[in-house]
Amino acid sequence: EPEVTQTPSHQVTQMGQEVILRCVPISNHLYFYWYRQILGQKVEFLVSFYNNEISEKSEIFDDQFSVERPDGSNFTLKIRSTKLEDSAMYFCASMGQGIWETQYFGPGTRLLVL
Amino acid sequence: LAKTTQPISMDSYEGQEVNITCSHNNIATNDYITWYQQFPSQGPRFIIQGYKTKVTNEVASLFIPADRKSSTLSLPRVSLSDTAVYYCLVGGDTGRRALTFGSGTRLQVQP
Repeated sequence: EPEVTQTPSHQVTQMGQEVILRCVPISNHLYFYWYRQILGQKVEFLVSFYNNEISEKSEIFDDQFSVERPDGSNFTLKIRSTKLEDSAMYFCASMGQGIWETQYFGPGTRLLVL
Repeated sequence: LAKTTQPISMDSYEGQEVNITCSHNNIATNDYITWYQQFPSQGPRFIIQGYKTKVTNEVASLFIPADRKSSTLSLPRVSLSDTAVYYCLVGGDTGRRALTFGSGTRLQVQP
């Protein structure tokens, strides 16, 4: 069964450093998403991406965040200058084009900012 | 997006059927209902989706009454591995838009 994959599974970084989280969506999917979940809290939407542009973003997704689809398979989330409060699980999701499609989530990247 | 209300937690024993009910009183005509499962430190996993009446797949059943103001996720004969958080989400065309997760229902299955 096709699945969304994410790398790395864990990332430890120093405050102020840039991190790039990588995702490989399901191959025929065209809608891509990033969510995050701070430990013990709800899953929160960050951004959605379609047709090479952001289609929706939350207020969490400020100027420190950016997304990119550098090639036909990868989808990345960059945090330019990490803060302690960016520590969380980051989930990528993708979805196909059908009417009753659902979002399929990857296993997540655990980011720890020290 | 329709607001959903579901129990914070439930306990069960292996082999029992578990029913988790979600209330969504202000569901709109074009909204459908989706359930996700999440294990600790893993991404949410799609379980089942429906619009009305009953939907069944290899994992669960989803019962939706005629007024669609609630829905019930039914897990037959749960095992320890079904211990997880279960989320009910409601929305129209939200497959493309952001999913809004609530706190979910934490199901604990005991031996």
